[in-house]
Amino acid sequence: GESVGLHLPTLSVQEGDNSIINCAYSNSASDYFIWYKQESGKGPQFIIDIRSNMDKRQGQRVTVLLNKTVKHLSLQIAATQPGDSAVYFCAEKNDYKLSFGAGTTVTVRA
Amino acid sequence: EAQVTQNPRYLITVTGKKLTVTCSQNMNHEYMSWYRQDPGLGLRQIYYSMNVEVTDKGDVPEGYKVSRKEKRNFPLILESPSPNQTSLYFCASSSGTSGGAEQYFGPGTRLTVT
Repeated sequence: GESVGLHLPTLSVQEGDNSIINCAYSNSASDYFIWYKQESGKGPQFIIDIRSNMDKRQGQRVTVLLNKTVKHLSLQIAATQPGDSAVYFCAEKNDYKLSFGAGTTVTVRA
Repeated sequence: EAQVTQNPRYLITVTGKKLTVTCSQNMNHEYMSWYRQDPGLGLRQIYYSMNVEVTDKGDVPEGYKVSRKEKRNFPLILESPSPNQTSLYFCASSSGTSGGAEQYFGPGTRLTVT
């Protein structure tokens, strides 16, 4: 999950700008990394994942970057919209276990 | 509709009174898991199950039990709840443990133990 040095618990973004959410993971043996979005009152929702042998993966308006050298993961959201306001969690998967970070609360300003 | 359901959604109970939170999925998923979510701590895995009759401890299993007698159900049992188990609980399922198999989460169960 996130480390104190790289993780910002909150992020305020102007609508239409790009968002970058950072995460530091702890286990170099993790084979998959996943980003989840959690809206208020709901369970986490899968956004995108990336295998450990990749360094970039793109989805619809989202891009995940993986830097194994410094054990860092980021989620980029293009053209942030009000519906993107939520808490975002990174998670690392090792064997059958999934470990989550503390989360970053993203607020989109109109 | 593909979904994970949990019951109850809200529960207030007293210390020591056994309770069960049910979880059911209709996607024929092999893998199911329970998490608790506490402020500032993210989600922590309690128990997981790779298939029927196969369960294992996550990061915070103390005070909890699970069972997997059927593929679709994965109940969480608190034999003697304590106030430190007050939390928001999520059940999740996925089609497999290999790869980044997308986990589907239930809506959550908010438990308060007084």
